[in-house]
Order: sequence, then C-alpha cells, then structure tokens
Amino acid sequence: SQQGEEDPQALSIQEGENATMNCSYKTSINNLQWYRQNSGRGLVHLILIRSNEREKHSGRLRVTLDTSKKSSSLLITASRAADTASYFCATDDAGTASKLTFGTGTRLQVTL
Amino acid sequence: EAQVTQNPRYLITVTGKKLTVTCSQNMNHEYMSWYRQDPGLGLRQIYYSMNVEVTDKGDVPEGYKVSRKEKRNFPLILESPSPNQTSLYFCASSSGTGVMPQHFGDGTRLSIL
Repeated sequence: SQQGEEDPQALSIQEGENATMNCSYKTSINNLQWYRQNSGRGLVHLILIRSNEREKHSGRLRVTLDTSKKSSSLLITASRAADTASYFCATDDAGTASKLTFGTGTRLQVTL
Repeated sequence: EAQVTQNPRYLITVTGKKLTVTCSQNMNHEYMSWYRQDPGLGLRQIYYSMNVEVTDKGDVPEGYKVSRKEKRNFPLILESPSPNQTSLYFCASSSGTGVMPQHFGDGTRLSIL
C-alpha cells in the first residue's frame, strides 16, 4: 500500500527560486526520509527527520514534519539546474519498523 | 567505494523464461531490499531481508522469489516472468531500516515480452 503521497506531482521553477514539495502519509511513523532520484539512476538519501523533530536543515535543504497532520515538506532554497530530479519521501511505519514505504514522488524541473 | 551493484542493468526477455537479477553490497549491511518502480506508482517494496537467511514479503511479492545465503548478496528471482513484471527494479541496503538511510543500486530495467 502507498504510504506517502507527494504534492505537487510536478514542479517547474527557474534557477534561484525556492522549491517546496509536500508529503502526506497515513499511519504513525518513527522517521521520515527524503530521497532524490536523477533520471534513470538509483535513489540517493538526502535527509532524515525523526518523529519527535519538527524541523531539520542540511545545506540548502529544509525539512519540516507535522505529525498531527501526518505531513512533511521539503524546501530547496536557491535552486540550481542540477537540482532537477524526482524527490521522494519515505516513511518507517511505527507499527512494523522493518521497511520503508515510498511515496509517488515530485518531479522538479529547474530551468536557467 | 561503498556501493550496491545490480546486474544486469538492462534485460529484454520473453514470458516464462526464468531470470535472476543479482544484487551485491560491500558495506556489510544487514538489511537488503528489492523495489520496483512504475510510472505513477512510485517505489513499491517486493521483498526485504533483515539478515542472512531472514527474508519477508513486502507489498508486491507475487511472482518473485529471493534468497539471502550470504550477507552481501540478495538475488531477485523471477521463476516465470510475465509482461506485468516489466519494470525498473532497485536493490537497496542499509545497516538498519527506518533509522538508517538506504543505499540504492543504479537499477535494472526489465522488459518481459
């Protein structure tokens, strides 16, 4: 079953703008992770936020988590053409703690 | 270099012809997993393994088999492939599950005719 749903499905911005993508999930979680996938390649881990954290930063990335709304957002500031990729959230179900469930992804296009 | 290696990267085959996709990691990770990625459906987990000789079904295990005889290897077996198994497959490993990031291979694109 699909746990995470990203929104929007696709996003097109210009270089230098900020990109925000959202993830909603259905059940209680231990952690939420964001991954990036360049076209035709494997996923690369970006950042992990635990269920008792509300915000986390890593370079140009800012992740927030609202467990009451079962949602998370990923903000990429000052975007670059190289940020063009698909972004996925993944949740670790608190009930099982044995697997990650991925969302359907947001495709980000950053143009010059 | 720490990596997850999948082979083959691309395969076109016919219905019913058994095939195996190999996955090997060099990071001494306990946890390994297989996913398939289809347009509009994201990644769905097929099988996972918490350690040697321990495997369990993910969300879409039908038509697939796995084995974990060694820590580093986790092959995916399609005993009788069908066209609905045409997909992009990823192997991943980690030293844990939710707490630890998953390391992904570069994928195997399977086409079943």
